[in-house]
Amino acid sequence: DSGVTQTPKHLITATGQRVTLRCSPRSGDLSVYWYQQSLDQGLQFLIQYYNGEERAKGNILERFSAQQFPDLHSELNLSSLELGDSALYFCASSVAPLSGGVLSSTDTQYFGPGTRLTVL
Amino acid sequence: DQQVKQNSPSLSVQEGRISILNCDYTNSMFDYFLWYKKYPAEGPTFLISISSIKDKNEDGRFTVFLNKSAKHLSLHIVPSQPGDSAVYFCAALATSGAGSYQLTFGKGTKLSVIP
Repeated sequence: DSGVTQTPKHLITATGQRVTLRCSPRSGDLSVYWYQQSLDQGLQFLIQYYNGEERAKGNILERFSAQQFPDLHSELNLSSLELGDSALYFCASSVAPLSGGVLSSTDTQYFGPGTRLTVL
Repeated sequence: DQQVKQNSPSLSVQEGRISILNCDYTNSMFDYFLWYKKYPAEGPTFLISISSIKDKNEDGRFTVFLNKSAKHLSLHIVPSQPGDSAVYFCAALATSGAGSYQLTFGKGTKLSVIP
């Protein structure tokens, strides 16, 4: 158990709909990362937050957005869903953001169990 | 354009033997490499990492080798155990430059250790 929780575990919805995925980081971790894993792809970095502020953006579609709240939990909002959005969505957290200097144990990202999204 | 490649989707090894998982990268800005292990229905778990200033890092049964000139790294597991059966992801990041500190993952190699 990594200490990172994600809800829901499974989500089935229809094209055109909007869903919200939730992530609670490990206690004490200030940085949250979102990743998408499609059927035949590795994990794709979407976005990173640190202490409530957006820190880095990866391959995140404009239809997707995220935020980190004062209690440090994060939500990933996916709208106008398409069939191709079906994937596993992982959240990870770390003590500190990857931001400079030599990487240390505080930079290690701990992953949640993921949310499996199916768009029909 | 896949910057981190794991060309073997699967690997089967006898228990007690060595498992060698390979990873190639194309982005010369990458200077830190990590291996994650993933069991079904769980998130990836950090296993071991290596900085580009080193060519080897060892942690118990796990050793990662880095060949910078070949842009190649490998994970050795000795001896392999049935509990090692999982999907192994190679990941890389650049500590400077555009897009720095974003983990880029390979597609993974499924390791099966046969008792």
